[in-house]
Amino acid sequence: GAVVSQHPSWVICKSGTSVKIECRSLDFQATTMFWYRQFPKQSLMLMATSNEGSKATYEQGVEKDKFLINHASLTLSTLTVTSAHPEDSSFYICSAPPGRSYNEQFFGPGTRLTVL
Amino acid sequence: GEDVEQSLFLSVREGDSSVINCTYTDSSSTYLYWYKQEPGAGLQLLTYIFSNMDMKQDQRLTVLLNKKDKHLSLRIADTQTGDSAIYFCAESSWEGFQKLVFGTGTRLLVSP
Repeated sequence: GAVVSQHPSWVICKSGTSVKIECRSLDFQATTMFWYRQFPKQSLMLMATSNEGSKATYEQGVEKDKFLINHASLTLSTLTVTSAHPEDSSFYICSAPPGRSYNEQFFGPGTRLTVL
Repeated sequence: GEDVEQSLFLSVREGDSSVINCTYTDSSSTYLYWYKQEPGAGLQLLTYIFSNMDMKQDQRLTVLLNKKDKHLSLRIADTQTGDSAIYFCAESSWEGFQKLVFGTGTRLLVSP
C-alpha cells in the first residue's frame, strides 16, 4: 500500500518554543492531507485539512494561529505548533488519501510531542 | 454532530473469536472503517464497508453492518496474540467525504 512518513517520530521541547512536524507521501501525490491529534488512551480528533496550494481548513475549536499548516507541495505538509505549552503534548498523526481513492486514507506513524 | 461509540476493552483467549462493536449516529455515513493501532504507532486500515452492504469478509475478519440500528461489528476469527492492539471504527459521510470521525477505540487483549 501507499506509504506516508512523518518526521520526527518524537520530539521534546521547552515551553514557548515552536515545533515543526513533517508529513510526506512517499510514493503518491496528495492534494489533501489531514492532521489529527490523539491524547493518551483517547481517540483521534481531526484538527485540520491541509490543501496543496491553498489555506488549510481547521476544525471548530482548533486555533489556526497556534497550529500553522503549510502544504507547499503535492508530497509534503507541515504542522508547526507555535509557542508550545505542556497542554499541547500529544500524539500528532497525519493521513493522506492516495489520489482519487477517496474511500481510503493512509496514515503516518505519528509524532509524539512532549512539551516540558 | 457525528458520534461514534465503542466499548473500551475486550479480553479473549488465543484461538477464540473476538467481536468488537461500534455504534454511530450519522445516518448519512457512506463508508465505515476498522483501523488497528499498535502501541506508539499510526493506524493500519484493516477493512472497510460501504453503507449499502451488510457484510464483508476478508480472511479472518468479518464486518457486519446493521444500518437500521447504526451498528457495526468486527469479528476476528482465531484471534492471535499479535492481534492485541486498539481497534478504532470510523465513519465518513458525503458532506465531508474524506473526513473521518473515529470511535473511542477498543483495546483488545489476547492472552495465551
